[in-house]
Amino acid sequence: DQQVKQNSPSLSVQEGRISILNCDYTNSMFDYFLWYKKYPAEGPTFLISISSIKDKNEDGRFTVFLNKSAKHLSLHIVPSQPGDSAVYFCAASGRNYGQNFVFGPGTRLSVLP
Amino acid sequence: EADIYQTPRYLVIGTGKKITLECSQTMGHDKMYWYQQDPGMELHLIHYSYGVNSTEKGDLSSESTVSRIRTEHFPLTLESARPSHTSQYLCASSEFQGPAGGYTFGSGTRLTVV
Repeated sequence: DQQVKQNSPSLSVQEGRISILNCDYTNSMFDYFLWYKKYPAEGPTFLISISSIKDKNEDGRFTVFLNKSAKHLSLHIVPSQPGDSAVYFCAASGRNYGQNFVFGPGTRLSVLP
Repeated sequence: EADIYQTPRYLVIGTGKKITLECSQTMGHDKMYWYQQDPGMELHLIHYSYGVNSTEKGDLSSESTVSRIRTEHFPLTLESARPSHTSQYLCASSEFQGPAGGYTFGSGTRLTVV
C-alpha cells in the first residue's frame, strides 16, 4: 500500500503559467517532506523541503504548501519555464527525517513553449 | 556538482552473470542507500547503511547484496542476473540525521539483463 501518492502521472502547462503538483500521504507520523526533480538519465536532485511545523516554504519560483489535516502537500512553480520539464517526486519521512524517506511515483511535468 | 558517483551508467548483461554496481561519495556521509526504480514507478528502497559495517535490507525485497567496508563506498552485487533485474538503480547518501535537503543522489545505473 502506497504511503505517498502522486495521483497525476503527468501534467502539461503553458510556459509562464503556474504548475501545481500534488502529493498525498497516509502515514500521520510523517513530519518532513521533500520535493525532488529528475531529468531523464540523471539522479533526482533536491528542490525544496518543508517541516510539519510550517504550512508554507518558498524558494524563488518554487513554493511548497502543507495541509497536515488533509495529509496533502503541493508544489507550485510560478512562472513555469520549459527547463522545468522533468519528473517531480514527493518524499516523506518521520521523526524529523530520522527515518528513511518514502517516495511517491512521481509526476511528469511538461512545460510547453 | 556531483559528489556521489555511480558506475557504470549503462550496463547490458546476459542472464546468469555476476555484476557489481559501484557507488562512491566524497562528502563523508554516514548513511547510504540503494533505490530501484522502474519507469513511471516510485523509488523503492532495497538496501541502506548507517555507516561502516552496517547494512540493512529496505522495503523492497531484492536478490542483491551490499557491503560497506569504507565510508565512501557502497557497492551493490547481483550474484546471478535475471531479466527481472532490469531496472534503474540509484545510489544516494545523507548525513546521519539528514540535512535539510535530504539525500544526494548519483546519476544512476540503468541495467538491462538479456
